[in-house]
Amino acid sequence: KNQVEQSPQSLIILEGKNCTLQCNYTVSPFSNLRWYKQDTGRGPVSLTIMTFSENTKSNGRYTATLDADTKQSSLHITASQLSDSASYICVVMLNYGGSQGNLIFGKGTKLSVKP
Amino acid sequence: GAVVSQHPSWVICKSGTSVKIECRSLDFQATTMFWYRQFPKQSLMLMATSNEGSKATYEQGVEKDKFLINHASLTLSTLTVTSAHPEDSSFYICSARGLGQQASEKLFFGSGTQLSVL
Repeated sequence: KNQVEQSPQSLIILEGKNCTLQCNYTVSPFSNLRWYKQDTGRGPVSLTIMTFSENTKSNGRYTATLDADTKQSSLHITASQLSDSASYICVVMLNYGGSQGNLIFGKGTKLSVKP
Repeated sequence: GAVVSQHPSWVICKSGTSVKIECRSLDFQATTMFWYRQFPKQSLMLMATSNEGSKATYEQGVEKDKFLINHASLTLSTLTVTSAHPEDSSFYICSARGLGQQASEKLFFGSGTQLSVL
């Protein structure tokens, strides 16, 4: 069964601190893995997209890693800001070829950054 | 700026009425649009996939007669919740993929619509 599991379910950190969110997946056939940030009551916004051959990708203070062998990914947030408070969703896209992709969503990690 | 506009952002309606949600791609032609539903503290669940000019493909368990999807143009898809009931209250989100975009391209999401059925 295709699944994406994220941990922790929720996380509280102090402003300025770093944190790492985890994503484990059992998805096949794999196309790419995406991290999204979703503010409460808003749609998800893309942070990174990584294909099978990419090990790491950065977007500002966000750095995502991918280990395709162990089927694990992480999202590292550096020097957290209050605006980083949101749900972070790991999404794996299945490879069905062509333009057809199917997304498997994790349940997300709810991050709260406190002053 | 936002490339997918979803409207309205929230709506309250009486039980038994119908509600229409619009999803527009602002600066690209969206050949495929996706509709999701998200309950509190849950992940997004795909409801249906719509391709411009053809009938939508619904996920298992989603009633196509209740959730009517129209994708009549390359920039607009609508989701109509017919005869809404309180259990239809949820956060509905659309996303769009452009013409010729590969699977590795960004998938742009709308800002979501919070539906509350009284």
